[in-house]
Amino acid sequence: KQEVTQIPAALSVPEGENLVLNCSFTDSAIYNLQWFRQDPGKGLTSLLLIQSSQREQTSGRLNASLDKSSGRSTLYIAASQPGDSATYLCVVRPETSGSRLTFGEGTQLTVNP
Amino acid sequence: KAGVTQTPRYLIKTRGQQVTLSCSPISGHRSVSWYQQTPGQGLQFLFEYFSETQRNKGNFPGRFSGRQFSNSRSEMNVSTLELGDSALYLCASSSGQLEGYTFGSGTRLTVV
Repeated sequence: KQEVTQIPAALSVPEGENLVLNCSFTDSAIYNLQWFRQDPGKGLTSLLLIQSSQREQTSGRLNASLDKSSGRSTLYIAASQPGDSATYLCVVRPETSGSRLTFGEGTQLTVNP
Repeated sequence: KAGVTQTPRYLIKTRGQQVTLSCSPISGHRSVSWYQQTPGQGLQFLFEYFSETQRNKGNFPGRFSGRQFSNSRSEMNVSTLELGDSALYLCASSSGQLEGYTFGSGTRLTVV
């Protein structure tokens, strides 16, 4: 059974810092991995999608890497801003369970002005 | 292009009642999945529909059901509501197995 773990569970940083969120998954048989952010009481907003054959994806200040063989992904946020405060979710799409996504518990990020 | 649209945004129902939630996927997306999010259980998979057929189902009681129409819009129904059904219900759509998912803003259901 696929399990996704995110470390740390919570992170508080001053504005301007570069930071790394970590995600690990137990089964490397995945179609892709997606990073989302979720604001309180809201839906999930997709940040980056990495296919299983890819090593990284970048969008603006965000960079996500994927090491499928070791079951790890990192989300790098450069020059953090208070607007980045949210919960970040790592989500994998396993090959074995079709459409059923597996979610990490999330990292709750607070960026202080 | 328009995103995934869920209606209504908020609902308050009484125990024992039933409720229907609606989801309109991104145009061209034939796969629609439903998830329940609660503080204690996190995000749990309810079911997935593809081309009007339920393709995958999570571990929820039969009170939870769904359907998909020919235009890919999907509805989820919960009968005989219980207090524990209070949650954020999220719908997501995808265009294919190798593609990512786009989520709606969710429907916040409160059962009193």
